[in-house]
Amino acid sequence: QKEVEQNSGPLSVPEGAIASLNCTYSDRVSQSFFWYRQYSGKSPELIMSIYSNGDKEDGRFTAQLNKASQYVSLLIRDSQPSDSATYLCACRPTGGGNKLTFGTGTQLKVEL
Amino acid sequence: GAGVSQSPSNKVTEKGKDVELRCDPISGHTALYWYRQSLGQGLEFLIYFQGNSAPDKSGLPSDRFSAERTGGSVSTLTIQRTQQEDSAVYLCASSLGQGASPLHFGNGTRLTVT
Repeated sequence: QKEVEQNSGPLSVPEGAIASLNCTYSDRVSQSFFWYRQYSGKSPELIMSIYSNGDKEDGRFTAQLNKASQYVSLLIRDSQPSDSATYLCACRPTGGGNKLTFGTGTQLKVEL
Repeated sequence: GAGVSQSPSNKVTEKGKDVELRCDPISGHTALYWYRQSLGQGLEFLIYFQGNSAPDKSGLPSDRFSAERTGGSVSTLTIQRTQQEDSAVYLCASSLGQGASPLHFGNGTRLTVT
């Protein structure tokens, strides 16, 4: 079982819709979770971090964490074509120091 | 500096040659990480430095790979006797190294082994 699993997609949503990206992780006691956005040919950039159960909102982005279900999600409201990218979920496993373990990413396409 | 700086941005080398990739982290960041990303793949952890502690080398794929970090700042990743399967984008990241601090990535070095 991979430590961090994501559906590779592509996930296609129409402009203005809500995009929902999901991630599961295997280390039950992981404490820190991150969503990165990666445009084609570019390096990952941090979008959101979340550490506590529940929702965390930042502009059009909402991260959701459910530690009991070992599930993290990212919602993007009012999706724009500029949101088209690969979204990487990452967690900081217990005993791994500060390194992050990444999922393989979900490709999002926002269509006009 | 303003961000993580990596050089060169692109490197083409012949199979069997050695290469050195450089990373200059964000000033004040004590933790430095190397990842690599093959075409269409996720990020593969290679090595992690935290302050003066012994580095976590658990992700290095073979003994042809090594890295050092001098003076707690700049890091060099060395690949000896390069193979075609080493072709990838090598990403360096740094963080404050405390608790839940996120990683900040450089623009990467695209390595092509011919």
